[in-house]
Amino acid sequence: QQQVKQSPQSLIVQKGGISIINCAYENTAFDYFPWYQQFPGKGPALLIAIRPDVSEKKEGRFTISFNKSAKQFSLHIMDSQPGDSATYFCAATTSGTYKYIFGTGTRLKVLA
Amino acid sequence: DTGVSQDPRHKITKRGQNVTFRCDPISEHNRLYWYRQTLGQGPEFLTYFQNEAQLEKSRLLSDRFSAERPKGSFSTLEIQRTEQGDSAMYLCASSLQGASTEAFFGQGTRLTVV
Repeated sequence: QQQVKQSPQSLIVQKGGISIINCAYENTAFDYFPWYQQFPGKGPALLIAIRPDVSEKKEGRFTISFNKSAKQFSLHIMDSQPGDSATYFCAATTSGTYKYIFGTGTRLKVLA
Repeated sequence: DTGVSQDPRHKITKRGQNVTFRCDPISEHNRLYWYRQTLGQGPEFLTYFQNEAQLEKSRLLSDRFSAERPKGSFSTLEIQRTEQGDSAMYLCASSLQGASTEAFFGQGTRLTVV
């Protein structure tokens, strides 16, 4: 019940294309869902986050779509760029603890 | 640089040796977290502190692991009698207490046990 399942494991997208990464969770107590971007040898950096009171949040080229009834959320990267090539992790937690449960990660490669 | 700072960045140690890592959180953050990340996996929660109090420990944190945050500022993570399975990236994160703040991660300490 504590798991967050993430797919796909890896993704190759052409420059300018849309990258879509999906996550699913079981624990209905989760109420904060961040996405982190991690480059090799670096720590995860917060990209965008959403709470379940909204179905979508957009920041620049990054959009989170949230489906509370299905317990699923996804990250969309519009106009993907080679600089977006990194590993992306979804995570879930309950408010205030930030004891994150992370997905297994998606390695994104954007071809120039 | 006012982000989360971890030291050392890399550590190679022989099996059976003890190692200690340090984390300096963002100065006004009262919550501090330790995570472990193995290759190809997401970070796994180990423990967290609110000020100097260690509020939660994962069952992943065996008796060989101990973490401290003596004055509610920096924290140390010690691993005694290291094993090859301890090889991983150890990440520290910090946050303000509250419902609408996020956690910021450091660059991690890469531990290799040979």
